Amino acid sequence: AQSVTQLDSQVPVFEEAPVELRCNYSSSVSVYLFWYVQYPNQGLQLLLKYLSGSTLVKGINGFEAEFNKSQTSFHLRKPSVHISDTAEYFCAVSDGGSQGNLIFGKGTKLSVKP
Amino acid sequence: DTGVSQNPRHKITKRGQNVTFRCDPISEHNRLYWYRQTLGQGPEFLTYFQNEAQLEKSRLLSDRFSAERPKGSFSTLEIQRTEQGDSAMYLCASSLLAGGLYNEQFFGPGTRLTVL
Repeated sequence: AQSVTQLDSQVPVFEEAPVELRCNYSSSVSVYLFWYVQYPNQGLQLLLKYLSGSTLVKGINGFEAEFNKSQTSFHLRKPSVHISDTAEYFCAVSDGGSQGNLIFGKGTKLSVKP
Repeated sequence: DTGVSQNPRHKITKRGQNVTFRCDPISEHNRLYWYRQTLGQGPEFLTYFQNEAQLEKSRLLSDRFSAERPKGSFSTLEIQRTEQGDSAMYLCASSLLAGGLYNEQFFGPGTRLTVL
């Protein structure tokens, strides 16, 4: 069964500093990979996705992620964070099968401090 | 149509009562998913529909959980005889399956259930 591991449950960072949120997945088949953001009391919003092609994926709000098949990783990065980036971030995987359901990690809470 | 909507946004109930949540997907989307999110965890897949057909329900947490999508539009998730462990956020998502290609799931704001 597929699984997703987000290595950090909380990441504190100062405003304008760079940040990396780590994600590893376990799968022996081709996968689709996603990062979602969740603000308090809201649903999930897609930041970016990797389906195929270039391993460097750019998303909304200045975020990007790199798919590394050999390390089964899909880490999320932003070169300079803002206070408004404070939220919970979820990495997810789908095997692209007929169901299409997503398997999520436990999430990383990003706290941006002034 | 601006997105996936869910009602109610919050539900407080007493243990043993039945509750029903509604999800209205994006209008042209043919797939609808239900997830549960407990505190400190990521969303957990429960079930999904393609049009009105429920194609996977083995992940529903117990036989107290059931879901319907009678006309292939809105869906309801019912929990019978609620237990305190059912307290969670219930998320709905929809997507458009076309040409066998993967398409993004759009999530609603969720229904937060508290069982006293």
